[in-house]
Amino acid sequence: NAGVTQTPKFQVLKTGQSMTLQCAQDMNHEYMSWYRQDPGMGLRLIHYSVGAGITDQGEVPNGYNVSRSTTEDFPLRLLSAAPSQTSVYFCASRKGSDREGEKLFFGSGTQLSVL
Amino acid sequence: AQSVTQLGSHVSVSEGALVLLRCNYSSSVPPYLFWYVQYPNQGLQLLLKYTSAATLVKGINGFEAEFKKSETSFHLTKPSAHMSDAAEYFCAVSNDYKLSFGAGTTVTVRA
Repeated sequence: NAGVTQTPKFQVLKTGQSMTLQCAQDMNHEYMSWYRQDPGMGLRLIHYSVGAGITDQGEVPNGYNVSRSTTEDFPLRLLSAAPSQTSVYFCASRKGSDREGEKLFFGSGTQLSVL
Repeated sequence: AQSVTQLGSHVSVSEGALVLLRCNYSSSVPPYLFWYVQYPNQGLQLLLKYTSAATLVKGINGFEAEFKKSETSFHLTKPSAHMSDAAEYFCAVSNDYKLSFGAGTTVTVRA
């Protein structure tokens, strides 16, 4: 059981470059999300999706795009990377709404550096 | 919107001593509250969750947390720290489809 798989684990970009962080889950979870983790700030929600074809913004969406064409995949796109986007990125999924107290399953993270 | 505040960014305890991590929440409705743990170079794992069934919640690895509405608190405790408890701990509160995390508390355990 793979759970939540993120690729790549490490990435270095130059300012202005674009790239896509991949996230896939094999648990048939409806809900998927992207967080960024920065020292002293905890995890902040970038975008989330409650099902295929449905996405919405989190706390810090600027500079990022997402799409959800399948239940399994939820890629995060950086259109024009900036040094402020240097961070560790986590993808997380769960079965349904957190109003039911469902736990999030996290990937192992992508460490991104933008020079 | 609901939010959580973790008091203390770093906690250092001796092996065998009590671990106490503080979390206060702000919520206009009965909250769902969580504690997650992050070991070095890993993603977060759920330790325990409060969903109003019982005010004292037991989690994995000997951790427990008590929900106190009068104090708007959800502090995490473990009676006896082990070296393997060294990690970063996050309190979180649900916001419909969004989970809001505290800033985290790093725990170091001294031999």
